[in-house]
Amino acid sequence: KQEVTQIPAALSVPEGENLVLNCSFTDSAIYNLQWFRQDPGKGLTSLLLIQSSQREQTSGRLNASLDKSSGRSTLYIAASQPGDSATYLCAVRQMGSGNTGKLIFGQGTTLQVKP
Amino acid sequence: EADIYQTPRYLVIGTGKKITLECSQTMGHDKMYWYQQDPGMELHLIHYSYGVNSTEKGDLSSESTVSRIRTEHFPLTLESARPSHTSQYLCASSDHRQTGYSGNTIYFGEGSWLTVV
Repeated sequence: KQEVTQIPAALSVPEGENLVLNCSFTDSAIYNLQWFRQDPGKGLTSLLLIQSSQREQTSGRLNASLDKSSGRSTLYIAASQPGDSATYLCAVRQMGSGNTGKLIFGQGTTLQVKP
Repeated sequence: EADIYQTPRYLVIGTGKKITLECSQTMGHDKMYWYQQDPGMELHLIHYSYGVNSTEKGDLSSESTVSRIRTEHFPLTLESARPSHTSQYLCASSDHRQTGYSGNTIYFGEGSWLTVV
């Protein structure tokens, strides 16, 4: 059974720091991995999607990497800002799930960026 | 910006009441999903749909039911709400017709916070 783990559970950094959020998964047979952002009381916003054949994806100050063989992904946030404060979730789409497209989520990392 | 909408955003209802959470998307996506998330916990899939007239139960057992009569609409119903149903319900959609199993981005609505008292 696929399990997705995110470390750390919470992180507090001063503004301007570069930081890395970690995501690990137990079964490397995945189609893709997606990083989301969740603000309190709101839904999820998709940040980056990495297909299983890709190593990384970049969007602005965000860079996500994927090492499928070791079951790891990282989300790198450059020059963090207070507006980056949110919970960051990673989710994998498992192979063998047919054509459902359903995702398996980690518990998230809650980030606080202090001004 | 994804066009997927959920109503109501927040709802407090009494035990035993029937409630329907609405979800609509204007992107023509074939796949739609309902996830449930308790505060501080992971999201769990409770229902999904491949397309019209197709619904399946997800990984987490739920007493709710869903229907998919139209592509754009995927409502979730609780026939008799209980305090244990208090949670956030997130609707999502995706379009796999172009890329098949590799999958496209899944888009989420803003969620419906349900409190049953």
